[in-house]
Amino acid sequence: KQEVTQIPAALSVPEGENLVLNCSFTDSAIYNLQWFRQDPGKGLTSLLLIQSSQREQTSGRLNASLDKSSGRSTLYIAASQPGDSATYLCAVRPRNTGNQFYFGTGTSLTVIP
Amino acid sequence: EPEVTQTPSHQVTQMGQEVILRCVPISNHLYFYWYRQILGQKVEFLVSFYNNEISEKSEIFDDQFSVERPDGSNFTLKIRSTKLEDSAMYFCASSEIFLAGVDTQYFGPGTRLTVL
Repeated sequence: KQEVTQIPAALSVPEGENLVLNCSFTDSAIYNLQWFRQDPGKGLTSLLLIQSSQREQTSGRLNASLDKSSGRSTLYIAASQPGDSATYLCAVRPRNTGNQFYFGTGTSLTVIP
Repeated sequence: EPEVTQTPSHQVTQMGQEVILRCVPISNHLYFYWYRQILGQKVEFLVSFYNNEISEKSEIFDDQFSVERPDGSNFTLKIRSTKLEDSAMYFCASSEIFLAGVDTQYFGPGTRLTVL
């Protein structure tokens, strides 16, 4: 069964700092990996989707990379802002289990003004 | 921008009662999903639904759960006899198509279910 781990569990940084969130998964046979943002008590907002054939995706200040062979993905946030404060989840879709996602426990990010 | 909507936002029920959670997926999407997140735990897959039938379900989705698309817009999750451990946030999601991993799942805001 696919296991997804995110490190660190919580992160606090001053505004303006660049930061990296880590995600690792145990089975490299995946269709894709998706990064989500979750605000307290709210739903999940899709940030970036990386297909298994891709190595990275960029959207604004966000850049996600994927190293499938080592089972790792990183989410890079440039010039962090207080509005970036949220929990960031990564989720993988394994090839052998159809269309369900396996989620990590998330990294809770606080950006201090 | 189109979005997935869910009602109610918060449902409180007594143990043993039936609840129905409602979702309106994005209109041109063909795949529908339910996930749940127990407080402090991971988001977990429950079920996926395509072409009016379940395409995949997890071990969590036992006989007390059922899903239905009663009309062209709604997608529902029914829990027949709720238990305390069913208390969680339930998320509905939809995707346009399942195409070898290129599809993005769009999530609704969730329904918080509290079983007393």
